[in-house]
Amino acid sequence: AQRVTQPEKLLSVFKGAPVELKCNYSYSGSPELFWYVQYSRQRLQLLLRHISRESIKGFTADLNKGETSFHLKKPFAQEEDSAMYYCALSPQGNKLVFGAGTILRVKS
Amino acid sequence: DGGITQSPKYLFRKEGQNVTLSCEQNLNHDAMYWYRQDPGQGLRLIYYSQIVNDFQKGDIAEGYSVSREKKESFPLTVTSAQKNPTAFYLCGSSIVSNQPQHFGDGTRLSIL
Repeated sequence: AQRVTQPEKLLSVFKGAPVELKCNYSYSGSPELFWYVQYSRQRLQLLLRHISRESIKGFTADLNKGETSFHLKKPFAQEEDSAMYYCALSPQGNKLVFGAGTILRVKS
Repeated sequence: DGGITQSPKYLFRKEGQNVTLSCEQNLNHDAMYWYRQDPGQGLRLIYYSQIVNDFQKGDIAEGYSVSREKKESFPLTVTSAQKNPTAFYLCGSSIVSNQPQHFGDGTRLSIL
């Protein structure tokens, strides 16, 4: 079965501290993985996808097939990063399987 | 203003009634999706449609029905067979089914 696990419901860090939002997945094939973000009063939107291998708003995520992980990282958190973050898996390219989400709070 | 429009934002239903949630997009996307979100859980796929006049069941399709008569519209009907309909419903779309999805603002359905 395809599953995405985000073990932390809430992650609270101070401004300027490093951030790591954890995501583990279970899927027997080659997955396509995404991070989506929802800022306060805004729509859910794509943050980044693993095949792009790019940094968006200072965030990066590396697919580790050995550990079946796709953790989201940022070296220095900013207050505007506070949001709900969802990790998602696309097992066959035709739908998304979401994790439960992690709320990131960046304190000043 | 391009995007996905879901209406209404809040919806109340009496026991035993069917109710239809609207989702319209003007992005010219082929694929559309319906998700359900419950507290503490991720978004779960109800139905999806890769092209007009075609749709497939997602992981939790029981008690729901959809239609895709027009490219821009993908309404979801929550039937009386859905035993626990109170939830937040999110509609999404993508250019084609293997591309990143865009989302609407969602509809919160409550049972009176």
